[in-house]
Amino acid sequence: KAGVTQTPRYLIKTRGQQVTLSCSPISGHRSVSWYQQTPGQGLQFLFEYFSETQRNKGNFPGRFSGRQFSNSRSEMNVSTLELGDSALYLCASRQTSASARDTQYFGPGTRLTVL
Amino acid sequence: AQSVAQPEDQVNVAEGNPLTVKCTYSVSGNPYLFWYVQYPNRGLQFLLKYITGDNLVKGSYGFEAEFNKSQTSFHLKKPSALVSDSALYFCAVRDTGGGNKLTFGTGTQLKVEL
Repeated sequence: KAGVTQTPRYLIKTRGQQVTLSCSPISGHRSVSWYQQTPGQGLQFLFEYFSETQRNKGNFPGRFSGRQFSNSRSEMNVSTLELGDSALYLCASRQTSASARDTQYFGPGTRLTVL
Repeated sequence: AQSVAQPEDQVNVAEGNPLTVKCTYSVSGNPYLFWYVQYPNRGLQFLLKYITGDNLVKGSYGFEAEFNKSQTSFHLKKPSALVSDSALYFCAVRDTGGGNKLTFGTGTQLKVEL
């Protein structure tokens, strides 16, 4: 079974631009979560989607948004990019939203650099 | 709110020796605990998890973790380290409030030397 895939793997943008990152979960997984990883703040939860609905949101400004499609694929968007948005953005999928026993499996990430 | 602490930024161990990467947690209610490993320029790879049951959890690549409720710890262990185990290790706890958010520790860099 293929793992979580993320595109693109690397991205360079300039301040003020916007960016869209894509995530395809493991086949059969319906929950997708996004995390931001930076050297200073570590791994931080952005949001989770299940059945096209946002179920949980982390403490990030409204410039960060996401959505999920009917095939469970997800996108996240960051508008008006700031230098501090430079990070590795990780997507994780799990089979369901409710079972505590489900494991989140992570993709390879998208490395975003904001100049 | 839940939290995890990884008190060591780096752990050095000789190949063939046992290794331990420490993690302590703070949650209200039953903890759901995870270990992940990250190699350079890669995402996180799942190693093992504790949900309930036996306090000794066995995972991938020969790793295991011991859950200790009285000490609120979930240390990662391996009997014999390999150079290829050198990587960044993260302990995480799942949100007990009904969501799937994982709260991660700051990570421990493991360096296994010949």
